[in-house]
Amino acid sequence: AQKITQTQPGMFVQEKEAVTLDCTYDTSDQSYGLFWYKQPSSGEMIFLIYQGSYDEQNATEGRYSLNFQKARKSANLVISASQLGDSAMYFCAMREGKSGGTSYGKLTFGQGTILTVHP
Amino acid sequence: GAVVSQHPSRVICKSGTSVKIECRSLDFQATTMFWYRQFPKQSLMLMATSNEGSKATYEQGVEKDKFLINHASLTLSTLTVTSAHPEDSSFYICSAPNIGGSSNQPQHFGDGTRLSIL
Repeated sequence: AQKITQTQPGMFVQEKEAVTLDCTYDTSDQSYGLFWYKQPSSGEMIFLIYQGSYDEQNATEGRYSLNFQKARKSANLVISASQLGDSAMYFCAMREGKSGGTSYGKLTFGQGTILTVHP
Repeated sequence: GAVVSQHPSRVICKSGTSVKIECRSLDFQATTMFWYRQFPKQSLMLMATSNEGSKATYEQGVEKDKFLINHASLTLSTLTVTSAHPEDSSFYICSAPNIGGSSNQPQHFGDGTRLSIL
Protein backbone atom coordinates (compact mmCIF):
# COMPACT_ATOMS: atom_id res chain seq x y z
CA ALA A 1 0.00 0.00 0.00
CA GLN A 2 1.13 3.50 -0.72
CA LYS A 3 1.53 6.08 1.96
CA ILE A 4 2.30 9.78 1.90
CA THR A 5 3.33 11.71 5.01
CA GLN A 6 3.44 15.44 5.51
CA THR A 7 4.63 16.17 9.01
CA GLN A 8 4.09 19.93 9.03
CA PRO A 9 0.46 20.83 9.78
CA GLY A 10 1.30 24.51 9.40
CA MET A 11 4.16 26.63 8.15
CA PHE A 12 4.83 30.35 8.28
CA VAL A 13 7.10 32.30 5.98
CA GLN A 14 7.93 35.93 5.42
CA GLU A 15 7.07 37.39 2.05
CA LYS A 16 9.95 37.07 -0.46
CA GLU A 17 11.61 34.34 1.57
CA ALA A 18 11.90 30.69 0.50
CA VAL A 19 10.07 27.88 2.26
CA THR A 20 10.34 24.09 2.15
CA LEU A 21 7.34 21.84 2.64
CA ASP A 22 8.21 18.29 3.60
CA CYS A 23 6.86 15.10 2.09
CA THR A 24 7.93 11.51 2.55
CA TYR A 25 6.44 8.51 0.87
CA ASP A 26 6.42 4.77 1.03
CA THR A 27 5.76 2.42 -1.86
CA SER A 28 6.88 -0.93 -3.16
CA ASP A 29 6.36 0.14 -6.76
CA GLN A 30 9.40 0.86 -8.91
CA SER A 31 7.48 3.23 -11.13
CA TYR A 32 5.54 6.01 -9.49
CA GLY A 33 4.85 9.70 -9.74
CA LEU A 34 4.91 12.37 -7.09
CA PHE A 35 2.87 15.54 -7.26
CA TRP A 36 2.27 18.71 -5.36
CA TYR A 37 -1.04 20.53 -5.37
CA LYS A 38 -2.09 23.87 -3.95
CA GLN A 39 -5.57 24.26 -2.52
CA PRO A 40 -6.65 27.82 -1.72
CA SER A 41 -9.59 28.50 0.57
CA SER A 42 -11.94 28.38 -2.41
CA GLY A 43 -11.25 24.65 -2.66
CA GLU A 44 -9.99 24.01 -6.16
CA MET A 45 -6.95 21.81 -6.61
CA ILE A 46 -4.14 23.55 -8.48
CA PHE A 47 -1.42 21.32 -9.91
CA LEU A 48 2.06 22.69 -9.17
CA ILE A 49 4.77 20.20 -10.04
CA TYR A 50 5.50 16.57 -10.90
CA GLN A 51 8.45 14.24 -10.33
CA GLY A 52 8.68 10.81 -11.90
CA SER A 53 10.44 8.04 -10.06
CA TYR A 54 12.90 7.59 -12.91
CA ASP A 55 13.61 11.27 -13.36
CA GLU A 56 17.22 11.96 -12.51
CA GLN A 57 16.90 15.69 -12.21
CA ASN A 58 14.76 17.57 -9.73
CA ALA A 59 11.66 19.05 -11.28
CA THR A 60 11.28 22.82 -11.45
CA GLU A 61 8.33 24.98 -12.45
CA GLY A 62 8.89 28.68 -12.05
CA ARG A 63 9.18 29.44 -8.33
CA TYR A 64 8.47 25.81 -7.44
CA SER A 65 11.10 23.13 -7.26
CA LEU A 66 10.95 19.59 -5.97
CA ASN A 67 13.83 18.28 -3.91
CA PHE A 68 13.64 14.59 -4.81
CA GLN A 69 15.75 12.24 -2.70
CA LYS A 70 14.81 8.78 -3.84
CA ALA A 71 16.90 6.84 -1.35
CA ARG A 72 15.30 8.75 1.50
CA LYS A 73 11.89 8.55 -0.17
CA SER A 74 11.33 12.24 0.19
CA ALA A 75 9.91 14.79 -2.24
CA ASN A 76 10.00 18.18 -0.59
CA LEU A 77 8.51 21.23 -2.27
CA VAL A 78 10.57 24.40 -2.27
CA ILE A 79 8.81 27.69 -2.95
CA SER A 80 11.18 30.54 -3.63
CA ALA A 81 10.38 34.23 -3.21
CA SER A 82 7.10 33.60 -1.37
CA GLN A 83 4.15 35.78 -2.22
CA LEU A 84 1.03 36.59 -0.21
CA GLY A 85 -0.97 34.65 -2.77
CA ASP A 86 0.94 31.51 -1.89
CA SER A 87 -1.00 31.25 1.36
CA ALA A 88 -2.99 28.03 0.98
CA MET A 89 -3.03 24.37 1.85
CA TYR A 90 -0.46 22.25 0.03
CA PHE A 91 -0.75 18.55 -0.67
CA CYS A 92 1.83 16.03 -1.68
CA ALA A 93 0.40 13.09 -3.62
CA MET A 94 1.49 9.86 -5.24
CA ARG A 95 0.09 8.37 -8.41
CA GLU A 96 -0.92 4.76 -8.40
CA GLY A 97 -0.98 2.41 -11.33
CA LYS A 98 0.45 2.40 -14.81
CA SER A 99 -0.85 4.24 -17.84
CA GLY A 100 -3.82 2.43 -19.36
CA GLY A 101 -4.84 0.69 -16.18
CA THR A 102 -8.21 1.35 -14.60
CA SER A 103 -6.62 2.84 -11.52
CA TYR A 104 -4.34 5.16 -13.49
CA GLY A 105 -4.58 8.68 -12.21
CA LYS A 106 -5.68 7.56 -8.77
CA LEU A 107 -3.82 9.63 -6.21
CA THR A 108 -3.01 9.09 -2.56
CA PHE A 109 -2.68 12.36 -0.69
CA GLY A 110 -0.69 13.41 2.33
CA GLN A 111 -2.30 15.17 5.27
CA GLY A 112 -1.51 18.60 3.88
CA THR A 113 0.39 21.64 5.12
CA ILE A 114 -1.22 25.02 5.63
CA LEU A 115 1.20 27.69 4.47
CA THR A 116 0.79 31.26 5.68
CA VAL A 117 2.84 34.00 4.06
CA HIS A 118 3.32 37.10 6.21
CA PRO A 119 3.88 40.55 4.67
CA GLY B 1 -6.64 22.33 -22.10
CA ALA B 2 -8.77 19.60 -20.63
CA VAL B 3 -11.34 20.72 -18.09
CA VAL B 4 -13.57 18.96 -15.63
CA SER B 5 -16.79 20.70 -14.66
CA GLN B 6 -18.41 19.93 -11.33
CA HIS B 7 -21.89 21.09 -10.40
CA PRO B 8 -23.28 22.39 -8.13
CA SER B 9 -20.50 24.25 -6.34
CA ARG B 10 -22.51 24.59 -3.15
CA VAL B 11 -25.57 22.89 -1.72
CA ILE B 12 -27.44 23.63 1.47
CA CYS B 13 -30.38 21.38 2.21
CA LYS B 14 -32.41 19.78 4.94
CA SER B 15 -31.64 16.49 6.57
CA GLY B 16 -33.17 13.57 4.70
CA THR B 17 -32.77 15.11 1.27
CA SER B 18 -30.91 13.32 -1.50
CA VAL B 19 -28.32 15.41 -3.31
CA LYS B 20 -26.88 14.75 -6.75
CA ILE B 21 -23.46 16.06 -7.76
CA GLU B 22 -22.36 15.98 -11.41
CA CYS B 23 -18.84 15.68 -12.73
CA ARG B 24 -18.40 16.25 -16.45
CA SER B 25 -15.33 16.08 -18.65
CA LEU B 26 -15.69 18.89 -21.16
CA ASP B 27 -13.34 18.10 -24.01
CA PHE B 28 -12.14 14.58 -23.44
CA GLN B 29 -13.60 11.19 -22.68
CA ALA B 30 -13.23 9.78 -19.21
CA THR B 31 -13.92 6.09 -18.77
CA THR B 32 -12.84 6.45 -15.17
CA MET B 33 -13.50 9.21 -12.68
CA PHE B 34 -12.59 9.48 -9.02
CA TRP B 35 -14.66 10.88 -6.18
CA TYR B 36 -12.97 12.33 -3.11
CA ARG B 37 -14.28 13.66 0.17
CA GLN B 38 -12.53 16.29 2.25
CA PHE B 39 -13.31 17.53 5.75
CA PRO B 40 -12.10 21.03 6.72
CA LYS B 41 -8.32 21.31 6.82
CA GLN B 42 -7.91 17.61 6.21
CA SER B 43 -6.69 15.49 3.36
CA LEU B 44 -8.62 14.31 0.34
CA MET B 45 -9.87 10.80 0.90
CA LEU B 46 -10.80 8.66 -2.08
CA MET B 47 -14.37 7.45 -1.80
CA ALA B 48 -14.83 5.53 -5.01
CA THR B 49 -13.73 4.98 -8.57
CA SER B 50 -16.45 5.51 -11.13
CA ASN B 51 -16.26 3.25 -14.18
CA GLU B 52 -18.20 3.87 -17.37
CA GLY B 53 -20.30 0.85 -18.23
CA SER B 54 -19.73 -1.01 -14.98
CA LYS B 55 -20.22 -0.71 -11.26
CA ALA B 56 -18.24 1.75 -9.23
CA THR B 57 -15.44 0.52 -7.00
CA TYR B 58 -15.82 1.76 -3.46
CA GLU B 59 -13.04 2.24 -0.94
CA GLN B 60 -13.21 0.40 2.34
CA GLY B 61 -15.62 1.96 4.79
CA VAL B 62 -17.64 3.88 2.18
CA GLU B 63 -21.33 2.95 2.17
CA LYS B 64 -22.41 1.99 -1.33
CA ASP B 65 -26.07 2.56 -0.61
CA LYS B 66 -25.36 5.95 0.87
CA PHE B 67 -23.17 7.26 -1.93
CA LEU B 68 -24.60 6.15 -5.24
CA ILE B 69 -22.36 6.56 -8.25
CA ASN B 70 -23.51 6.42 -11.84
CA HIS B 71 -21.18 6.78 -14.79
CA ALA B 72 -23.81 7.43 -17.40
CA SER B 73 -21.57 8.25 -20.34
CA LEU B 74 -17.95 8.77 -21.30
CA THR B 75 -18.17 12.36 -20.10
CA LEU B 76 -20.45 12.25 -17.06
CA SER B 77 -20.30 10.73 -13.61
CA THR B 78 -22.74 11.52 -10.82
CA LEU B 79 -22.53 11.08 -7.07
CA THR B 80 -25.82 10.98 -5.18
CA VAL B 81 -25.76 11.35 -1.42
CA THR B 82 -28.95 9.61 -0.40
CA SER B 83 -30.97 10.68 2.63
CA ALA B 84 -28.23 13.09 3.65
CA HIS B 85 -27.62 13.87 7.30
CA PRO B 86 -25.48 16.53 8.97
CA GLU B 87 -22.53 14.15 9.22
CA ASP B 88 -22.49 13.97 5.42
CA SER B 89 -21.66 17.66 5.27
CA SER B 90 -18.31 17.90 3.56
CA PHE B 91 -16.42 19.02 0.48
CA TYR B 92 -16.76 16.56 -2.39
CA ILE B 93 -14.45 16.77 -5.37
CA CYS B 94 -14.18 14.70 -8.51
CA SER B 95 -11.35 14.10 -10.92
CA ALA B 96 -10.77 12.43 -14.26
CA PRO B 97 -7.48 10.88 -15.41
CA ASN B 98 -5.66 12.69 -18.16
CA ILE B 99 -5.10 9.61 -20.28
CA GLY B 100 -3.35 10.48 -23.49
CA GLY B 101 -2.44 13.94 -22.27
CA SER B 102 0.64 15.17 -20.53
CA SER B 103 1.89 12.58 -18.09
CA ASN B 104 2.90 15.37 -15.74
CA GLN B 105 -0.67 15.98 -14.77
CA PRO B 106 -2.31 12.73 -13.80
CA GLN B 107 -5.81 13.97 -13.47
CA HIS B 108 -8.00 17.02 -13.82
CA PHE B 109 -10.06 18.09 -10.83
CA GLY B 110 -13.46 19.65 -10.70
CA ASP B 111 -13.80 22.71 -8.50
CA GLY B 112 -15.61 20.76 -5.80
CA THR B 113 -19.00 20.85 -4.11
CA ARG B 114 -19.53 22.13 -0.59
CA LEU B 115 -22.41 20.18 0.89
CA SER B 116 -24.09 21.47 4.03
CA ILE B 117 -26.89 19.46 5.59
CA LEU B 118 -28.97 21.32 8.15
